[in-house]
Order: sequence, then structure tokens, then C-alpha cells
Amino acid sequence: NAGVTQTPKFQVLKTGQSMTLQCAQDMNHNSMYWYRQDPGMGLRLIYYSASEGTTDKGEVPNGYNVSRLNKREFSLRLESAAPSQTSVYFCASSEPGDVRTEAFFGQGTRLTVV
Amino acid sequence: ILNVEQSPQSLHVQEGDSTNFTCSFPSSNFYALHWYRWETAKSPEALFVMTLNGDEKKKGRISATLNTKEGYSYLYIKGSQPEDSATYLCASLDRGSTLGRLYFGRGTQLTVWP
Repeated sequence: NAGVTQTPKFQVLKTGQSMTLQCAQDMNHNSMYWYRQDPGMGLRLIYYSASEGTTDKGEVPNGYNVSRLNKREFSLRLESAAPSQTSVYFCASSEPGDVRTEAFFGQGTRLTVV
Repeated sequence: ILNVEQSPQSLHVQEGDSTNFTCSFPSSNFYALHWYRWETAKSPEALFVMTLNGDEKKKGRISATLNTKEGYSYLYIKGSQPEDSATYLCASLDRGSTLGRLYFGRGTQLTVWP
């Protein structure tokens, strides 16, 4: 059981380049999330998808787009990378219909924009 | 946006010391409170999911309590070990927001010295 799989693990981009971070979960969860982690800031929500076919902005959505391709996959796209987007990105999934269950996280993507 | 606060921001203790930290969250519309353990270079992993006022959970030397009426949760570690060194995150789930959206605190970074 793979859980949440996130790719790539590391990436270096030049300012202005674009890239897509991929995330897939095999737990049949309805909700998926993208967070970024910066020193001293904890986890900040970029975008989330409460269910297949829906996406909503989180706290820090500017400069990002997302696609909920199907129930399993939720991708995050940087159209024109900026140095301020240097961060560690985490994808997560959960089943909000069961209040007793936790969120599961991918291994993270360390992105550097130069 | 829910304001979830954690204190202290960081903590340094000696091996064998017991320690505790606090998570405070809005008590109105409370739905669930999560605690996660986050080791460096890894992804967050759930410790506890707590839903009821007065809940107490325990996993080995780690335990947590929940007070939903006053909006706080405590995490206790008894006899800290170097392997307990990690960032401990709490997250609140609000009944009033989109179901499944977790609001994270900034975490407490624990360092246990041998």
C-alpha cells in the first residue's frame, strides 16, 4: 500500500520556468491538499480539493494552479516560477466523511527557484 | 481562516526529561483536533485524532488531552528520548468550513539531547 506518492522529490528551476508537481493516492480518499512548508511558518495550504471535480484556494494560492484529474490524482502547477516559490511542497489526502481519520502526506518535493 | 497557535515554538530538553506543549484553537464549531509528528526530511505522520471534550489518547510515552470548551490541547512526552526529536504539529478541523480542511499551527520543534 503506497499511500500518497509525490513526484519529483527534488527540482531546481530557473525563474520563469514552469513545472507540474504530481500527487497520487491509493486510499480512495475524497479530499486532497497541497501545502508548502517554509522555515518558521508551519504548513500553509495552497489549494485543496474536497472531492473529485472541485478545487478551492487555500491561504497562499497566488502563482499556482491545480488540477484534480480524477479521484486519485491532484497536480500542482507553477506557470512561471519565482524565487519566492522556493519551498518544500507536500501533498496530502484525507477522508473527511470519517472524523476519526487523519491526513496522510507524501514525502515532499524540495523545490529551488534560482 | 482558523487561528491555531502552538507554544512554545521550540524546546530543548535532556534525555529523560518529561515535556509538554500546547495547541490552542477556536472552540466554536469545533470538529476534530489532530496531532502530527514531523521528523526532519520526512513527511508528517499522525499521532492522534481527537474529537470529544475530555478525550485522552496515549501511544507509548506520548499522550494528549483535549478541552473543546476552552479550545486547547496538550501533548505530553514522558521520559523524552533523542528519537523524540521532531516538530510536533497540531491541526484543527472546523465544522463550519469546507469539510476536511485542516488548519495547522506552526509547530513546536523539540530537541532532546542525550
